[in-house]
Amino acid sequence: EAGVVQSPRYKIIEKKQPVAFWCNPISGHNTLYWYRQNLGQGPELLIRYENEEAVDDSQLPKDRFSAERLKGVDSTLKIQPAELGDSAVYLCASSLRLYSGRADTQYFGPGTRLTVL
Amino acid sequence: AQSVTQLDSQVPVFEEAPVELRCNYSSSVSVYLFWYVQYPNQGLQLLLKYLSGSTLVKGINGFEAEFNKSQTSFHLRKPSVHISDTAEYFCAVILLSGGGADGLTFGKGTHLIIQP
Repeated sequence: EAGVVQSPRYKIIEKKQPVAFWCNPISGHNTLYWYRQNLGQGPELLIRYENEEAVDDSQLPKDRFSAERLKGVDSTLKIQPAELGDSAVYLCASSLRLYSGRADTQYFGPGTRLTVL
Repeated sequence: AQSVTQLDSQVPVFEEAPVELRCNYSSSVSVYLFWYVQYPNQGLQLLLKYLSGSTLVKGINGFEAEFNKSQTSFHLRKPSVHISDTAEYFCAVILLSGGGADGLTFGKGTHLIIQP
């Protein structure tokens, strides 16, 4: 079974440029997460989708970040314009949510390492 | 809001020696608890999780963890480590009140260094 796929794996851009990250979750997984991992830190949630609906985007910096999950499968995270402080690893994770009250295992992709110069 | 503290940023251990990685959490409500491992240039992989029941949880690669509610701890242990265990280890929680679907709240991680 294929895992969570992310692309690109690495991206180097200059500040003020736009950038986009793509995530393909595990087939059949209805819940998708985007996390940001700064150097030497644990990942922090940016946004969570259940199917195509963003159910928790409280930590997403909405002035420059946007995300979409069309048709409830693939997802794209965009930054426009990028700032120096956006340099980090962006991780995508997915899980299969069957019913409430159960902590579903989140499966992580390899991440996209973004460097903003 | 919940938080996770991993007291040790680095833990050096000799090969075949036992190891314990410490994790404490703070939350006003009950939580589910997880340990993830991250190998260089790879995503996070679940080692084990505690949802309910027995407080001693066994995971992959010979790791186990014990949930201690009174001390709000979830320490990870392995009786004999191998060079291949060198990695970053993250403790994480999810609130029960969110039904288990919320995002994970992670600690800062502990780098386990295995010395030959």
